[in-house]
Amino acid sequence: EIVMTQSPATLSVSPGERATLSCRASQSVGSSLAWYQQKPGQAPRLLIYGASTRATGIPARFSGVGSGTEFTLTISSLQSEDFAVYYCQQYTYWPLTFGGGTKVEIK
Amino acid sequence: EVQLLESGGGLVQPGGSLRLSCAASGFAFNSFAMSWLRQAPGKGLEWVSLINDSGSSTYYADSVRGRFTISRDNSKNTLYLQMNSLRAEDTAVYYCARVSVGATVTFDYWGQGTLVAVSS
Repeated sequence: EIVMTQSPATLSVSPGERATLSCRASQSVGSSLAWYQQKPGQAPRLLIYGASTRATGIPARFSGVGSGTEFTLTISSLQSEDFAVYYCQQYTYWPLTFGGGTKVEIK
Repeated sequence: EVQLLESGGGLVQPGGSLRLSCAASGFAFNSFAMSWLRQAPGKGLEWVSLINDSGSSTYYADSVRGRFTISRDNSKNTLYLQMNSLRAEDTAVYYCARVSVGATVTFDYWGQGTLVAVSS
């Protein structure tokens, strides 16, 4: 099973600042990496797939880079609605696996 | 508008069974693979099972293989998860999700979830 490790567990950021979230895979997953956002009491929302392609309707302030085992999600200028938990997911291998999440909180 | 509505959750004793349903609308259900995922209280996301568009292929997480069965009825636009031999560690919010079109196994639409609690 591919283990996905996200860091940091919690990120404290001020509105308007940049947030950088990391995701590492225990072995190469190529570019088969997705990012999701989840707010309290809500279902997750797909943000990024293919490591860097924004899903439909996702603002340009969200960007993803990486391949192989190292991936990064950047939120260029945090808005109030961006404070949430973010998960990465690999889809190269069965079983599909998620990282443990990074909580982005208001500083 | 794509909508996914789960039902069937509740409190069940260890060893018991439960069947979850997910009613889909707003898209061509029979053209999309579908999946179940879960989230234990205060924890992260865990993929549970996936079924292809026709229902001919299914996939399971090791933690549920042999106990859970995913199925679908394309005539009713409904996805199911039959859960047997339930354990305390199966307690979670269960989400159904649509698998994105194309060469990705990602989830572009999610239901709001249904809570399954396994306890005596």
